[in-house]
Amino acid sequence: NAGVTQTPKFRVLKTGQSMTLLCAQDMNHEYMYWYRQDPGMGLRLIHYSVGEGTTAKGEVPDGYNVSRLKKQNFLLGLESAAPSQTSVYFCASSTLSGGYEQYFGPGTRLTVT
Amino acid sequence: GQSLEQPSEVTAVEGAIVQINCTYQTSGFYGLSWYQQHDGGAPTFLSYNALDGLEETGRFSSFLSRSDSYGYLLLQELQMKDSASYFCAAYPSGNTPLVFGKGTRLSVIA
Repeated sequence: NAGVTQTPKFRVLKTGQSMTLLCAQDMNHEYMYWYRQDPGMGLRLIHYSVGEGTTAKGEVPDGYNVSRLKKQNFLLGLESAAPSQTSVYFCASSTLSGGYEQYFGPGTRLTVT
Repeated sequence: GQSLEQPSEVTAVEGAIVQINCTYQTSGFYGLSWYQQHDGGAPTFLSYNALDGLEETGRFSSFLSRSDSYGYLLLQELQMKDSASYFCAAYPSGNTPLVFGKGTRLSVIA
């Protein structure tokens, strides 16, 4: 099993550009999450999904959109990137009853210039 | 609201024992998780306490006191490879995602 994978691993964007980060998991997990991690700020939840076709806002959702069209995939979109969105983005997944144990992908390092 | 407090940095000597504390304030509470993250890596799950008391997993133990809204991670026989950031995370309810603390950076020195 590959676990949780993220694409791409690195990306540089110019302000105003758009992009989509892809997360895939092969563990048949119901829950999926997107976090951003900035120095000294820990992990902050952007959006999450409790199942195919459903999404919910987390702590810092502004400027991001998500979609979960298939159970195994969770997409994070930036419509108009801003320098404040420079960060490391992690995707994670968990079972329905095991939300306390999340499995994380390797992360995407995004720089917006 | 939800908030967790943990020290930002801790330094300890190889072979010693270190305790990383975490206090929490959450509107709902099922339990407390701990994660480890090495520089450049992804967070990995270490332990979860749903009940009061100590849970032991090898050199690592985790403790929870619900009455004090407090928990800690205990690392014994420290090794250089234990140098990493450690995050506590509150599990507010079965349908609500984890809320993470800002992390404690542990440096193990010789």
